[in-house]
Amino acid sequence: EPEVTQTPSHQVTQMGQEVILRCVPISNHLYFYWYRQILGQKVEFLVSFYNNEISEKSEIFDDQFSVERPDGSNFTLKIRSTKLEDSAMYFCASTLQTTGNEQFFGPGTRLTVL
Amino acid sequence: DQQVKQNSPSLSVQEGRISILNCDYTNSMFDYFLWYKKYPAEGPTFLISISSIKDKNEDGRFTVFLNKSAKHLSLHIVPSQPGDSAVYFCAASEQYSGGGADGLTFGKGTHLIIQP
Repeated sequence: EPEVTQTPSHQVTQMGQEVILRCVPISNHLYFYWYRQILGQKVEFLVSFYNNEISEKSEIFDDQFSVERPDGSNFTLKIRSTKLEDSAMYFCASTLQTTGNEQFFGPGTRLTVL
Repeated sequence: DQQVKQNSPSLSVQEGRISILNCDYTNSMFDYFLWYKKYPAEGPTFLISISSIKDKNEDGRFTVFLNKSAKHLSLHIVPSQPGDSAVYFCAASEQYSGGGADGLTFGKGTHLIIQP
């Protein structure tokens, strides 16, 4: 069964450093998303991406964040200058969105900012 | 601003009985609702969804009920099995008539514990 994959599973970085989180969405899906979950809190939407551009973004997705689909398979989230409060699980998701909005999630990347 | 609320942080149910998980929403623009199941250290797994034009959707042991006037939905699991022990998230989205990709708004989750 096709699935969303994410690398790395755990990333530790120093405050102020740049990180890139990588995702491979399900191959025939058209819409791609990033979400985050701070420990003990709910899953929060960051950004959606369609047709090589951002479709929607939340208030959390400020200028330090960017997304890219550099080739036909990868979808990346870059955090330019990490802060302590960026420590969270980051989930990538994708969907065909032809009949509904069932989004399929990857296993997540745990980002720890020291 | 909690647009999707799951007021029970945890729920304990005996194996074989019915589990009922509840969810309320405040945004009347939401018209598509989903339930996800999550195990520790894994991503959310899609379970079942319902459009606002329906009031019930069934898939095997899982049934979702939607009461639009009350802005309330529930997930019924019958019969409950030990493998159902997980955190269940309710999520909602708006139809985006211009086309595009809607972000889901999640509740805080309910930890379901199935006791043998």
